[in-house]
Amino acid sequence: GAGVSQTPSNKVTEKGKYVELRCDPISGHTALYWYRQSLGQGPEFLIYFQGTGAADDSGLPNDRFFAVRPEGSVSTLKIQRTERGDSAVYLCASSSTPPLAGGNEQFFGPGTRLTVL
Amino acid sequence: DQQVKQNSPSLSVQEGRISILNCDYTNSMFDYFLWYKKYPAEGPTFLISISSIKDKNEDGRFTVFLNKSAKHLSLHIVPSQPGDSAVYFCAASSGLAQKLVFGQGTRLTINP
Repeated sequence: GAGVSQTPSNKVTEKGKYVELRCDPISGHTALYWYRQSLGQGPEFLIYFQGTGAADDSGLPNDRFFAVRPEGSVSTLKIQRTERGDSAVYLCASSSTPPLAGGNEQFFGPGTRLTVL
Repeated sequence: DQQVKQNSPSLSVQEGRISILNCDYTNSMFDYFLWYKKYPAEGPTFLISISSIKDKNEDGRFTVFLNKSAKHLSLHIVPSQPGDSAVYFCAASSGLAQKLVFGQGTRLTINP
């Protein structure tokens, strides 16, 4: 399909383990975003990439969270030493809008549900 | 500090009538506003947006109104259809800060 894809769709891990979540954006979209959605809440911003570089990582909760986008397309969100409080749906979105233009419509993937036991 | 608020967690509307979903914001730097619709186990789907230079934008059955002085926006759906039953999120962004700030969502149920 032509939309944003995320793998895995579900991930169950044990407290203290390391996890990687993958996002494939819409082809040609230069901007990529990660959000986290907890139950009953709206998505919360984590990090934004423009091309290969992280333009804004102000939403990352602590240094256990890290994300990369080495070739400007696929991105991986990495969580070290997972905690039960990290359990949430992790959403990826992409956009074709350059930063200086208006119209910030972001297109979301289905998310990865992370459960930390 | 909740910069975007949707104060109604749920709304129930009869099929064919108008649905009005409300959203308030506190950050006067927000200049672009969006509405997303979310079904269970799916990501949010973009519905409609509005720039702060406008006060209304319409797309088919969906109209978004922006009242900057009141820092309030609303989404009108008319006529409401059963397929509109979903959780609706409003979101805002400001200038170069491309991140979206979301409200908590409103669950809309359309009754036949």
